[in-house]
Amino acid sequence: QSALTQPASVSGSPGQSITISCTGSSSDVGGYKYVSWYQQHPGKAPKLMIYEVSNRPSGVPDRISGSKSGNTASLTISGLQAEDEADYYCSSYTSTNTRVFGGGTKLTVL
Amino acid sequence: EVQLVESGGGLVQPGGSLRLSCAASGFTFSSYEMNWVRQAPGKGLEWISYITRSGDTIYYADSVKGRFIISRDNAKNSLYLQMNSLRAEDTALYYCARGYGAYAYWGQGTLVTVSS
Repeated sequence: QSALTQPASVSGSPGQSITISCTGSSSDVGGYKYVSWYQQHPGKAPKLMIYEVSNRPSGVPDRISGSKSGNTASLTISGLQAEDEADYYCSSYTSTNTRVFGGGTKLTVL
Repeated sequence: EVQLVESGGGLVQPGGSLRLSCAASGFTFSSYEMNWVRQAPGKGLEWISYITRSGDTIYYADSVKGRFIISRDNAKNSLYLQMNSLRAEDTALYYCARGYGAYAYWGQGTLVTVSS
């Protein structure tokens, strides 16, 4: 049950686009549609941003998108805004019926 | 409005036990799978346990297997986590979260501190 691999940090200027990767294996990310992404601001509970690889819950803006290729999932945020500065986590279902999170990525808006 | 409210956290000595509760409201609790997720201070999220709608199927992360027990009472709209043989590394904010493949709703968490 190793954590999925995410970059520790990414940054971008307002209006730019950034992509956060989430790398696992064929036993988790690569093998299932249950890949999700969460945003967490300091002192707050996580918020679901993407489910089943690329679906946005109601209320999440369409400048947030998700995708997957092989064993790597990606979260892309376009038109960066100051309020996007937060920690982001990916999660996946696994072949042992457990779930696993990535180590988290700190997004800094310059 | 969906609400999940955790309780039961506190300070406990290594080797001790604690029972966390998660009170659900605003939805039909028995219709949803539930999870416990924790976050150590300054660290990332860690999924620790899952339970089906009826409670007949349960999964645990290796880090807590054999020490923690997840359960639910659908009549009381409540989820529980019995934590035994607690270790310093179990110190974390414990969240309950609703969902199967994704967690659309989270509580605010209850803090568990394991220290002598």
